[in-house]
Amino acid sequence: KQEVTQIPAALSVPEGENLVLNCSFTDSAIYNLQWFRQDPGKGLTSLLLIQSSQREQTSGRLNASLDKSSGRSTLYIAASQPGDSATYLCAVRRREGGGADGLTFGKGTHLIIQP
Amino acid sequence: NAGVTQTPKFQVLKTGQSMTLQCAQDMNHEYMSWYRQDPGMGLRLIHYSVGAGITDQGEVPNGYNVSRSTTEDFPLRLLSAAPSQTSVYFCASSRTFRQDRLGQPQHFGDGTRLSIL
Repeated sequence: KQEVTQIPAALSVPEGENLVLNCSFTDSAIYNLQWFRQDPGKGLTSLLLIQSSQREQTSGRLNASLDKSSGRSTLYIAASQPGDSATYLCAVRRREGGGADGLTFGKGTHLIIQP
Repeated sequence: NAGVTQTPKFQVLKTGQSMTLQCAQDMNHEYMSWYRQDPGMGLRLIHYSVGAGITDQGEVPNGYNVSRSTTEDFPLRLLSAAPSQTSVYFCASSRTFRQDRLGQPQHFGDGTRLSIL
């Protein structure tokens, strides 16, 4: 059974710092990995999607990497801003060929950026 | 540009009552799914569908029914609500591999917050 772990569970940093959020998964047979942002009481906003054949994806100040063989992904946030405060979720989608077709989520990293 | 729309946003039920959570998407996505989010548990897959007339079970399907009569709609039914079903429910959709071989990011609705008394 796929398990996804996110470290740290919570993080508080001053505005302007660069930071890294970590995600690990136990089964490397994934189709893709997706990073989401969730604001309190809100839905999930997709940030980046990395296909299993890719090593990284970038969007603005965000960069996500994927090392499928070691079961790890990182989300790098450059020059953090108070508006980046949210819970960040990592999720993997299994490859076709067995089991339920859906996302397996980590429990998230709760990020606070101090002004 | 509606995306994934869930109704209602909030609902309170009594134990044993039934209800249907609605989910609609306007992106012509073949794949749709339902998740529940509980504190300390993360999001877990309830049911999913890869097209009209096709549904399958996820990780936590007990107590829930689904059907997919159209591409746009994927309702989730609670036949006899139990306090353990108190949760936030999210609907998601994406293209399937058949529709897009380059990648199929999941799009989520804003959720339905359900309390069972």
